[in-house]
Amino acid sequence: EPEVTQTPSHQVTQMGQEVILRCVPISNHLYFYWYRQILGQKVEFLVSFYNNEISEKSEIFDDQFSVERPDGSNFTLKIRSTKLEDSAMYFCASHTDMNTEAFFGQGTRLTVV
Amino acid sequence: AQKITQTQPGMFVQEKEAVTLDCTYDTSDPSYGLFWYKQPSSGEMIFLIYQGSYDQQNATEGRYSLNFQKARKSANLVISASQLGDSAMYFCAMRVAQGGSEKLVFGKGTKLTVNP
Repeated sequence: EPEVTQTPSHQVTQMGQEVILRCVPISNHLYFYWYRQILGQKVEFLVSFYNNEISEKSEIFDDQFSVERPDGSNFTLKIRSTKLEDSAMYFCASHTDMNTEAFFGQGTRLTVV
Repeated sequence: AQKITQTQPGMFVQEKEAVTLDCTYDTSDPSYGLFWYKQPSSGEMIFLIYQGSYDQQNATEGRYSLNFQKARKSANLVISASQLGDSAMYFCAMRVAQGGSEKLVFGKGTKLTVNP
């Protein structure tokens, strides 16, 4: 069964460093998302991406964040200068058409120290 | 503004019994979708069940069913014959569509513990 794959599963980084979280969505999917879940809290929307551009972003998604789909298969989230409060589980999700269920990756647990 | 409310921070159920996890939602859009996801301690988000706002029948998927009461804006998840492996966090979510994009808005979750 096809699945959304995220790497790494866990990343520890120093405050101020840049991190890139990687996702490989399901191959025929067209809509891509990043969500964030701070430990013990609910899942929050960060950004949606369609047709090689951002279609919507939340207030959380400030200038420190960027997304890219460099080669038609990978979908990356970059945080330029990490802060302690960026520590969270980051989920990538994708789906085919509008009104279909979103499939989530297993998440990347980012720890900023 | 679209919002999902899960009022039960934690629920306990005996193995083999049924349990209902509550979810209410708020939206002014006539077209929306409601989802339930399971998050075990390992952290991944597992899709369980989906209900569209125009669906006439309540969704069912194996031991999971969704008690959809549109007038009350509720979409409760019913798990029948609970198993120890059902112990996890459960999130209700609503699909919100605006201007050609869509996203999921999540509730705070309910932690379900199944006792042997």
